[in-house]
Amino acid sequence: SYELTQPPSVSVSPGQTASITCSGDKLGGKYACWYQQKPGQSPVVVIYQDKKRPSGIPERFSGSNSGNTATLTISGTQAMDEADYYCQTWDNSTAVFGGGTRLTVL
Amino acid sequence: QVQLQESGPGPVKPSETLSLTCTVSGGSISSYYWSWIRQPPGKGLEWIGYIYYSGSTNYNPSLNSRVTISVDTSKNQFSLKLTSVTAADTAMYYCARMVKIGDTGHSFDYWGQGTLVTVSS
Repeated sequence: SYELTQPPSVSVSPGQTASITCSGDKLGGKYACWYQQKPGQSPVVVIYQDKKRPSGIPERFSGSNSGNTATLTISGTQAMDEADYYCQTWDNSTAVFGGGTRLTVL
Repeated sequence: QVQLQESGPGPVKPSETLSLTCTVSGGSISSYYWSWIRQPPGKGLEWIGYIYYSGSTNYNPSLNSRVTISVDTSKNQFSLKLTSVTAADTAMYYCARMVKIGDTGHSFDYWGQGTLVTVSS
């Protein structure tokens, strides 16, 4: 079955750029999306179709996808961005989620 | 604003059937795909399956033999049944609206708040 691999944790200082990667076989040939989940809350989509931002998502969130890696980039990271982030794609009509990355802003 | 709300009878005993319903408000269930996703405590997300308002379904192969998702358009609801549950099925269960784009562009744009289902004797 298809797998997506994310680093378990990423740390960033406030105001700096955070990059969270998601690796999968030929992932660049599929669309990837990203979800933010804060403690005790439901996930929220922050990037879909590799790089599109839903309305209401700040411009500091951006995405890219090429080769075997999709990347979520948060520019000018704020304390409110501290959360778990999950990448997701589809393979053979099955939704696949990455294991999640905890972003710590310190 | 579309809102989704999960509901269910509470704890489930091993080997029994887990049943949940998701009620959609603020919009019609028609013309969209609807999904169930779960998250064991402290772990990541797992997609269970989706249903189109017309009734066509697609399930995660890892759960396929135990899952049934159905829809009731008259009530703006869709439901999940998971049979022969074990402790491994203990999780927060979310319902979500899925936007279907091409073959791999689908994403989940509205989520319910989730309901914790515990499997225990």
